[in-house]
Amino acid sequence: GEDVEQSLFLSVREGDSSVINCTYTDSSSTYLYWYKQEPGAGLQLLTYIFSNMDMKQDQRLTVLLNKKDKHLSLRIADTQTGDSAIYFCAEGSMYSSASKIIFGSGTRLSIRP
Amino acid sequence: DARVTQTPRHKVTEMGQEVTMRCQPILGHNTVFWYRQTMMQGLELLAYFRNRAPLDDSGMPKDRFSAEMPDATLATLKIQPSEPRDSAVYFCASGFNVGGQANEKLFFGSGTQLSVL
Repeated sequence: GEDVEQSLFLSVREGDSSVINCTYTDSSSTYLYWYKQEPGAGLQLLTYIFSNMDMKQDQRLTVLLNKKDKHLSLRIADTQTGDSAIYFCAEGSMYSSASKIIFGSGTRLSIRP
Repeated sequence: DARVTQTPRHKVTEMGQEVTMRCQPILGHNTVFWYRQTMMQGLELLAYFRNRAPLDDSGMPKDRFSAEMPDATLATLKIQPSEPRDSAVYFCASGFNVGGQANEKLFFGSGTQLSVL
């Protein structure tokens, strides 16, 4: 069945790069997404990558996609305290009769001074 | 500033009571998703509508949960009767789907925090 997996926690020093990893199971996914959730709020789309791309860069964010290994990563350069949040990886899954967007469990990013 | 609106933001109720959560998707969006978020299970998909038609509600306990879209501007999620294990944050999200395969960028509401005592 469809599944998206992420590690639960990541702690980085302010100013360092953060790398959040994700593995997914549906090789037919067209888009893969990264969402950010701040405390008490809903999820916000950070960035996404089309499945025929290997990399996408958007300011401090870099998304890498390895389709062969079904591995997605999000790199945040120069991590700031405002980046503290939960980061969710998501894929558009075709496993069921109706394609749907499936989320991982989220990685809680904490920043140390 | 287009956004998904969910009401109520918070709901405290007693076990056995009916709970109705409402969602107003962004005007022009044609898909609506309901998710439930708990510490233990993370973000679970409960129901998914496209063009107001329910496409997938396999993640929803059918005996007590129901999801509907009476019109394009309103989606509802009902729990009857509610149980303490239903306590969670319920999110609605909307998007615009093109071509069938899940490819929409979702916009989330702020959620309904439900506590069932």
